[in-house]
Amino acid sequence: DSGVTQTPKHLITATGQRVTLRCSPRSGDLSVYWYQQSLDQGLQFLIHYYNGEERAKGNILERFSAQQFPDLHSELNLSSLELGDSALYFCASAQLSSGNTIYFGEGSWLTVV
Amino acid sequence: SQKIEQNSEALNIQEGKTATLTCNYTNYSPAYLQWYRQDPGRGPVFLLLIRENEKEKRKERLKVTFDTTLKQSLFHITASQPADSATYLCAMGADTDKLIFGTGTRLQVFP
Repeated sequence: DSGVTQTPKHLITATGQRVTLRCSPRSGDLSVYWYQQSLDQGLQFLIHYYNGEERAKGNILERFSAQQFPDLHSELNLSSLELGDSALYFCASAQLSSGNTIYFGEGSWLTVV
Repeated sequence: SQKIEQNSEALNIQEGKTATLTCNYTNYSPAYLQWYRQDPGRGPVFLLLIRENEKEKRKERLKVTFDTTLKQSLFHITASQPADSATYLCAMGADTDKLIFGTGTRLQVFP
């Protein structure tokens, strides 16, 4: 158990809908990362927050947004969902903003039908 | 653009042998490199971190090398066991606060 908690574990939703994925980092960790993993793309970096502030952005679609709250938990919002958004979404946390080990949650499986 | 390449073909080896996985990068100057293990449907698990000023790092049966001239990292598992079968991911980071992953190499260790 990495100490990173993600909910929900599984989610099935229809195209055009909006979902929110939630992540609670390990106790004491200030950094939260979001990754998308699909079969043909590998782990794609979406966004990184450190102590409530956005620190780096990857290839995150405009339909996707994220935030980190004062209690350090984070949410990834996915809207206007398309079939191609079906993937495993991972949250990871770390103590520092860079140069350290990151700990992954077990992921949220999103299926768009 | 930044690119990290790992052999997409699975590596099949016999138990007891040394497995060597390769990670190459282009258009990037990472300050550090990490290796993770991922089992199907699970989150990646950290194994080793090596910084740009380090040539080699070891942890039990694992060894990582980092050659900034060749832009390559090698990951070795000695005395491999069937329980080592998994996908292994390399990841690179710099001071940009991004941690970029390769697509991973699947290792299968046969008894």
